[in-house]
Amino acid sequence: AQSVSQHNHHVILSEAASLELGCNYSYGGTVNLFWYVQYPGQHLQLLLKYFSGDPLVKGIKGFEAEFIKSKFSFNLRKPSVQWSDTAEYFCAVNGFSGGYNKLIFGAGTRLAVHP
Amino acid sequence: DAGVTQSPTHLIKTRGQQVTLRCSPKSGHDTVSWYQQALGQEPQFIFQYYEEEERQRGNFPDRFSGHQFPNYSSELNVNALLLGDSALYLCASSPGTERGAQYFGPGTRLLVL
Repeated sequence: AQSVSQHNHHVILSEAASLELGCNYSYGGTVNLFWYVQYPGQHLQLLLKYFSGDPLVKGIKGFEAEFIKSKFSFNLRKPSVQWSDTAEYFCAVNGFSGGYNKLIFGAGTRLAVHP
Repeated sequence: DAGVTQSPTHLIKTRGQQVTLRCSPKSGHDTVSWYQQALGQEPQFIFQYYEEEERQRGNFPDRFSGHQFPNYSSELNVNALLLGDSALYLCASSPGTERGAQYFGPGTRLLVL
């Protein structure tokens, strides 16, 4: 079955620590890849997206992600987190056999950053 | 530039009732998708509307139906509400192309008692 896996469900970091959140998907065809963030009490916001080209994509707020096709992975990184990065992060993919319309989300990773 | 807007923000209904949720897409977007996000879970795709037609549907029963209007706004209707329909209902809009990212609204939180 088509799926998206996020390996870390809860991550706790101190400010200035580096962040890497894992995301893997199970589909060998062409996909579009996204990371969304949901801050407490706020709506889902698009952090970054990958369609094609340079596998290292930069998003808002200093986040970046690297697409590794051979590993079916799209990991999110940030070199130095801030308290304001406390949020839930969702990896999402479309382009599975059902077409590009339907986004399939991972289960999410809750990040807590302590000052 | 207004983003995706949804109304109402909160709604309380009882089992068996019907509910209609509304969504206005981001300016320049013609495609609307609806998702259900249960508490503590990831969003689940309900369906997508493009050119006033349902283009794709997720694994939701026929009690969930929708509509898209000529101005691209959309409604989600849920009939015969069940307790399990309690969730945050998210609307996302996108341009009608393969390379269009979906942008989400704030959601409507539905509580079924």
